[in-house]
Amino acid sequence: QVTLRESGPALVKPTQTLTLTCTFSGFSLTTDGMCVSWIRQPPGKALEWLALIDWDDDKFYMPSLKTRLTISRDTSKNQVVLTMTNMDPADTATYYCARTFDSSGYYHGFDYWGQGTPVTVSS
Amino acid sequence: SYELTQPSSESVPSGQPAVISCSGDKLEDKYVSWYQQRPGQSPVLLIYHDFKRPSGIPERFTASNSGDTASLIISETQPEDEADYYCQAWDNRTFVFGTGTTVTV
Repeated sequence: QVTLRESGPALVKPTQTLTLTCTFSGFSLTTDGMCVSWIRQPPGKALEWLALIDWDDDKFYMPSLKTRLTISRDTSKNQVVLTMTNMDPADTATYYCARTFDSSGYYHGFDYWGQGTPVTVSS
Repeated sequence: SYELTQPSSESVPSGQPAVISCSGDKLEDKYVSWYQQRPGQSPVLLIYHDFKRPSGIPERFTASNSGDTASLIISETQPEDEADYYCQAWDNRTFVFGTGTTVTV
């Protein structure tokens, strides 16, 4: 079955770089159409999409955070990594990775999600 | 940037229908997905491609998309449907989530 699991530090200091890893199973990111995204949710607030990487190693980013985000993959380990630079207390959130499928430019929604990993930015 | 607006809350008696709206400019030109998020849990995909239900999602969840508004309809709301609901669309190489609606049963 499909599973995704996020891992990374629970606490980072302001200005530091956050590195999160999504380890997945049950599918291959090299299969045509397969994609993995990072999505976050500040406490008590709405979901916010951050980045996506697809089967062809194309990458898309939230425009307002594009300069701070890097998404990459290691297909041999079934992992997707997100780095976010210059962390700020406003980046405190639960960070999720999720899978979606691209059918000729039409995405199927995020059908599988990890359990999320909470990240607090504080000195 | 593209925005999706939802009412912040809806209260519905058990067994009655609930309608959750999602508004965005020319939203009918985009595919909309809907998610349910219970407290402390990860979101669950309810609807994709405007009205399609993934396997395992109850038939009481339906949806439509026309003009500038997409709607999620819960035909006979159950106590376990009490949750936050989010719409989501793809626009100009980015995903956008709605502001979220808290449904109280």
